[in-house]
Amino acid sequence: DTEVTQTPKHLVMGMTNKKSLKCEQHMGHRAMYWYKQKAKKPPELMFVYSYEKLSINESVPSRFSPECPNSSLLNLHLHALQPEDSALYLCASSHGGVEGETQYFGPGTRLLVL
Amino acid sequence: DAKTTQPPSMDCAEGRAANLPCNHSTISGNEYVYWYRQIHSQGPQYIIHGLKNNETNEMASLIITEDRKSSTLILPHATLRDTAVYYCIVSTSGTYKYIFGTGTRLKVLA
Repeated sequence: DTEVTQTPKHLVMGMTNKKSLKCEQHMGHRAMYWYKQKAKKPPELMFVYSYEKLSINESVPSRFSPECPNSSLLNLHLHALQPEDSALYLCASSHGGVEGETQYFGPGTRLLVL
Repeated sequence: DAKTTQPPSMDCAEGRAANLPCNHSTISGNEYVYWYRQIHSQGPQYIIHGLKNNETNEMASLIITEDRKSSTLILPHATLRDTAVYYCIVSTSGTYKYIFGTGTRLKVLA
């Protein structure tokens, strides 16, 4: 089973709202990722967690706050977003033991900021 | 970091082989080449990856040139369901980072 699940599928929020995106995997993977994808563009890496510790932050604004409560869960907390943050947010996971290893992606959460 | 270059779009007749090229001329010796596809804004789906040797699985074949500066993904018998954006990715050495190319939009024609 190579399934990564993400909830919700769609999210509409105002600029003053606080919301969270959730990602879950049960493959025993120890690396988890958040990507952002704008329309007609490739995914761009935001964060990487390795063994529940943040290992890469690609200079993402602080209005995006990641959290990895355990090895199966990854959250992305959203606060005071801007309309330009509207995008498809993708979660991925990989084994976490070796560089350059296969990442498995979830279906994404489509976010609209009004 | 290595980067990839792909043609923006290609057409292929149903039942024929689809050959998708990728240029990664600055790839380092220990960096892998990965191929993913993305259908209708779903999450990217893993297809295949390789380091130096050619690889084949149930979905596709990956041909890597001897100098590793380019590769070709081959879908042997394309179907309408293979219509998607195909991304060639080089994994960044020493990290977990993927660098996505701009992708090739493959359209399989009936």
